[in-house]
Amino acid sequence: QQPVQSPQAVILREGEDAVINCSSSKALYSVHWYRQKHGEAPVFLMILLKGGEQKGHEKISASFNEKKQQSSLYLTASQLSYSGTYFCGSGHTNAGGTSYGKLTFGQGTILTVHP
Amino acid sequence: DTEVTQTPKHLVMGMTNKKSLKCEQHMGHRAMYWYKQKAKKPPELMFVYSYEKLSINESVPSRFSPECPNSSLLNLHLHALQPEDSALYLCASRPALTSGRPYEQYFGPGTRLTVT
Repeated sequence: QQPVQSPQAVILREGEDAVINCSSSKALYSVHWYRQKHGEAPVFLMILLKGGEQKGHEKISASFNEKKQQSSLYLTASQLSYSGTYFCGSGHTNAGGTSYGKLTFGQGTILTVHP
Repeated sequence: DTEVTQTPKHLVMGMTNKKSLKCEQHMGHRAMYWYKQKAKKPPELMFVYSYEKLSINESVPSRFSPECPNSSLLNLHLHALQPEDSALYLCASRPALTSGRPYEQYFGPGTRLTVT
């Protein structure tokens, strides 16, 4: 099932902060965050694993609440380069699972940063 | 070399044509993916190859036929497509389980396909 992201869109001025949320009705093993700029490929930002968290990216960090099956992406002191569509992807098995590598992406959050 | 390349960048084909999309990576990744992305929508997984074997097929119609001739190359053969198949087709690859970074997917720039 597709995770649900909120908000659908965010408009910021440079230097402002933003939070993007991702929730799933199905148990999550991992949450993956990607950013896609218009006309470009999605770029990996970070992954949060059940029971742990891997490195962040620039001034972007994230949290993972396993019990609530939710993740939040925090963008601090936003820059113009942060503009794009942010996708969370839900992973449902560990590295040895039969569905390993399968990601289901949320519908995306469009972030626009103005000068 | 840390990129995934895809050719062609753009493709226009008729419903009776046969064409192929190509994806290549030289990062030593042993898992490769095909995704379909419609405008303003998230990527949708189509196929996953792991060690050159098809491991996931997301019930994709048979008019899409994937092929993984070797660990660096992934093809998607197209035949008798419909206009609704017009989309951006993205390829991605992922490092091996033993790499220490087994979850990060590297995406190519995509092939924008238009079916007329």
